Amino acid sequence: DAKTTQPNSMESNEEEPVHLPCNHSTISGTDYIHWYRQLPSQGPEYVIHGLTSNVNNRMASLAIAEDRKSSTLILHRATLRDAAVYYCILKVAGSARQLTFGSGTQLTVLP
Amino acid sequence: DSGVTQTPKHLITATGQRVTLRCSPRSGDLSVYWYQQSLDQGLQFLIHYYNGEERAKGNILERFSAQQFPDLHSELNLSSLELGDSALYFCASSEGGAGNTIYFGEGSWLTVV
Repeated sequence: DAKTTQPNSMESNEEEPVHLPCNHSTISGTDYIHWYRQLPSQGPEYVIHGLTSNVNNRMASLAIAEDRKSSTLILHRATLRDAAVYYCILKVAGSARQLTFGSGTQLTVLP
Repeated sequence: DSGVTQTPKHLITATGQRVTLRCSPRSGDLSVYWYQQSLDQGLQFLIHYYNGEERAKGNILERFSAQQFPDLHSELNLSSLELGDSALYFCASSEGGAGNTIYFGEGSWLTVV
């Protein structure tokens, strides 16, 4: 599986936007970029995924670089409930293969 | 609520014992995955079943085994338990095939004393 690199931790102020970066320089053409998050003592939760174009949903936006070697998860207005570990994961398109989790980014939201 | 149900939520048992963790996937999901999360190891993939058949194995110990039943629920059996097996065990499910989103349960906390 292609590897992703994320900062260990980030801080944000409440109600401000947060940009969580992810590098995946060895991404292949069939890899989707997935983001999951894990709140304390809970199971990982799907956030968003994309292939080439930027994606938006009710939780977040995903901005994908033109060369696909990096992406950014954008939380438009961070709340205290967004404090979690955020994982950027590559997954082959159309595959039921498991997700391989790295260490992710611990996001702290300051009131 | 992800729709994935895991039981029990908490379990305390002694070393050397055997436990069974149970998972009910989301309605219609054919794939079930098991993960282990301990403090020092992060989320580790254990095993994947699709419609009753084993599809992939990760870092699963020989003392651990799993199965997926015809009604698609799954069980993870942990035997000869050691202190180091204390962890959160997550079950996840997906449609399988071209389905891309994997949904996780709340986990089963296992404490081995």
